[in-house]
Amino acid sequence: EAGVAQSPRYKIIEKRQSVAFWCNPISGHATLYWYQQILGQGPKLLIQFQNNGVVDDSQLPKDRFSAERLKGVDSTLKIQPAKLEDSAVYLCASSLSWPYEQYFGPGTRLTVT
Amino acid sequence: AQTVTQSQPEMSVQEAETVTLSCTYDTSESDYYLFWYKQPPSRQMILVIRQEAYKQQNATENRFSVNFQKAAKSFSLKISDSQLGDAAMYFCAYRSAESGGSNYKLTFGKGTLLTVNP
Repeated sequence: EAGVAQSPRYKIIEKRQSVAFWCNPISGHATLYWYQQILGQGPKLLIQFQNNGVVDDSQLPKDRFSAERLKGVDSTLKIQPAKLEDSAVYLCASSLSWPYEQYFGPGTRLTVT
Repeated sequence: AQTVTQSQPEMSVQEAETVTLSCTYDTSESDYYLFWYKQPPSRQMILVIRQEAYKQQNATENRFSVNFQKAAKSFSLKISDSQLGDAAMYFCAYRSAESGGSNYKLTFGKGTLLTVNP
């Protein structure tokens, strides 16, 4: 069984530029999560999708971050414009509706200069 | 809101020896799940072990075991016969057992960096 795929693995941009990350969850997983992991901290949930609907986006900075999950499968996370403090690893995870175990992708390391 | 605290930023252990990583959490819920995840330099988060709060028996997975103290809200991870491949960042995480989509998110601690010395 293929795992959660993410791309790119690394991205370097200048502040005020835009960037997008892509995630392909495990086949059949209805729930998809985006986490932000700042250096030295644990991951923090940004947004959670159930199929193609948003369940929780309370921690998403909506003035600059956006996310979508088309057709309930792949998802993209966008930052526009980026700030220095957005430098982090962005992790995508997916899970079945039951038993809810989350499986993580390899992450995208974003550096904003 | 639930919080997870890992008080040991770094730990080290000699190969083949045993090490214990600490985790405490705060919640008002009675039913929940606790996890230990391993994150090697490749950044891939790997589930090590899971504990259901309603189970009194401590979970065990091969060389990994937990000491779950519900009243004390403590959840430590013991790694026996440590191997070089165990070197990684270890995160303790909490998840509610209540139904409802937003309850399925994981709340993580800040992590403990484990070094295994040959």
